[in-house]
Amino acid sequence: GQQLNQSPQSMFIQEGEDVSMNCTSSSIFNTWLWYKQDPGEGPVLLIALYKAGELTSNGRLTAQFGITRKDSFLNISASIPSDVGIYFCAGHFSGAGSYQLTFGKGTKLSVIP
Amino acid sequence: KAGVTQTPRYLIKTRGQQVTLSCSPISGHRSVSWYQQTPGQGLQFLFEYFSETQRNKGNFPGRFSGRQFSNSRSEMNVSTLELGDSALYLCASSFGQGAGYTFGSGTRLTVV
Repeated sequence: GQQLNQSPQSMFIQEGEDVSMNCTSSSIFNTWLWYKQDPGEGPVLLIALYKAGELTSNGRLTAQFGITRKDSFLNISASIPSDVGIYFCAGHFSGAGSYQLTFGKGTKLSVIP
Repeated sequence: KAGVTQTPRYLIKTRGQQVTLSCSPISGHRSVSWYQQTPGQGLQFLFEYFSETQRNKGNFPGRFSGRQFSNSRSEMNVSTLELGDSALYLCASSFGQGAGYTFGSGTRLTVV
């Protein structure tokens, strides 16, 4: 089945630093989504990407849909303490009979004030 | 507008019992999906419903089942609970295929 490799697994950074994480897939996706999950809560959608090569920003967050449709990255600029959490990438393929998201294992981000 | 509502938030059950979890999607969303989240396996897809029809099912045993009602609300049921079923169960709703999925806060199920 489809698998997503998300890296790094965890990161410790100083407040104010930029962060980069990425996901690669063995299969093509039509949509890439990036979520953030806080402890005890469900994932919250940060950015959705719908076209190969698309670069989308949401405040300090920027994400790109890879040209090959098999990868995506998320950048966070000038990190702040509230950026702490687990970030997940998810891919969606809009093919016949396919109505599910495939998730990466997550990147746990810790920000040192 | 109201988000995805899952009830209950926390649940403790004994092995062998069954459990029913509920999910109310965002108004207007007709697709409801369920995911199981565990530290070891991450987020795993259980099933997806659209207009009361199950369109896709993940690789879980038949003890896991679900349904969707005409108002798009969904329930999932787990019968004959096992210790390994302890997890955070998340529901997500979407307007349509490929659109962003909005998740609820989840139901934390503990099987003892």
